[in-house]
Amino acid sequence: DTAVSQTPKYLVTQMGNDKSIKCEQNLGHDTMYWYKQDSKKFLKIMFSYNNKELIINETVPNRFSPKSPDKAHLNLHINSLELGDSAVYFCASSPVGTSGAYNEQFFGPGTRLTVL
Amino acid sequence: SQQGEEDPQALSIQEGENATMNCSYKTSINNLQWYRQNSGRGLVHLILIRSNEREKHSGRLRVTLDTSKKSSSLLITASRAADTASYFCATDEGSYIPTFGRGTSLIVHP
Repeated sequence: DTAVSQTPKYLVTQMGNDKSIKCEQNLGHDTMYWYKQDSKKFLKIMFSYNNKELIINETVPNRFSPKSPDKAHLNLHINSLELGDSAVYFCASSPVGTSGAYNEQFFGPGTRLTVL
Repeated sequence: SQQGEEDPQALSIQEGENATMNCSYKTSINNLQWYRQNSGRGLVHLILIRSNEREKHSGRLRVTLDTSKKSSSLLITASRAADTASYFCATDEGSYIPTFGRGTSLIVHP
């Protein structure tokens, strides 16, 4: 019944490693997002995918790459992890409004990434 | 880019009191949304208010929007300990770009 799921929930790794976070939604939504929430709870959008196409890409390092094998999945790959990548990463999905404005977003439970 | 800013950053009240938090933004919007985040959890959508609406209710929640002042408020009436959470406003830029503020941390003491 979980609408938006993420795995893993916790990820502890060493600097320089490559890791992936998976996200799946069963809501049939057209758009999926990745957010980064820092220790001060500031939530910053990283990527958005609409119908398997990247439609926005905030100025994140190219070490981060979203990959969407199908409309229900948007995975986040991170290469050469750095200390500053430590944060909580949230996946979300939403239907697209007919006016083009975005609608209610459904968030996953988050993945807490700790880089040592 | 446009960003909603919540005020106050932190709010501490007693159970039964009302809690009011505000959100200000910089440019025109299509809609504004409020979300709640419990500790260690993802965000949960509370209310969406469109730019042509002035007030919306949902249970104990009341949201107002003043587009002339570019501000919104979220009122939680008769608060409960379970309302303890962080509350975020999110605004759009007329596209698919949702922008969140830093949130208001609400603590409701039993």
